[in-house]
Amino acid sequence: GAGVSQSPSNKVTEKGKDVELRCDPISGHTALYWYRQRLGQGLEFLIYFQGNSAPDKSGLPSDRFSAERTGESVSTLTIQRTQQEDSAVYLCASSLVAGGPHEQYFGPGTRLTVT
Amino acid sequence: GENVEQHPSTLSVQEGDSAVIKCTYSDSASNYFPWYKQELGKRPQLIIDIRSNVGEKKDQRIAVTLNKTAKHFSLHITETQPEDSAVYFCAAVIVGYGQNFVFGPGTRLSVLP
Repeated sequence: GAGVSQSPSNKVTEKGKDVELRCDPISGHTALYWYRQRLGQGLEFLIYFQGNSAPDKSGLPSDRFSAERTGESVSTLTIQRTQQEDSAVYLCASSLVAGGPHEQYFGPGTRLTVT
Repeated sequence: GENVEQHPSTLSVQEGDSAVIKCTYSDSASNYFPWYKQELGKRPQLIIDIRSNVGEKKDQRIAVTLNKTAKHFSLHITETQPEDSAVYFCAAVIVGYGQNFVFGPGTRLSVLP
């Protein structure tokens, strides 16, 4: 079946502009995660959704970052007034349910470049 | 909150040798420990995982060991092959409603032919 998809695959934007990144999880997966991965670095947790609620927003780096999810489907990560330090690959992952040890399936990522 | 450390940050081995990557975690409530492999330019993928009620798990050339008392767990790859070259991430998870994965910083493994 279809895996996790993300769009766009690449985004180049000017400093100060807003960007919106999209994640389509695997159908039926109730948990959805957003991570940031800077070049050559590890996975930085941003936010987690269970259904359309976000129990853990602790990883969002600033109030310029926000995310929402419609039901148990699409999620969007919005970065307002982008800065050069926002340049990174943004990875989305989904897992079947919360409450148990389930594999996270990652999307291909969106490479964001802020010029 | 949970903090996961991972060592070494880079590791080079000769093809056929073994590789060991170690992670330590801080929160004793963590009870699920997956390992993900990320090849260059690709997405992370789960390769093996272990729950806290098990001390060791093996899958062909890959094994993971867990020491709950010391709060560390390790990935062991035997008979390494060039296709094992990748970045490996460990994670510690407190399984429950708020299933937040805390990842280690990663280990870049290079298997030299």
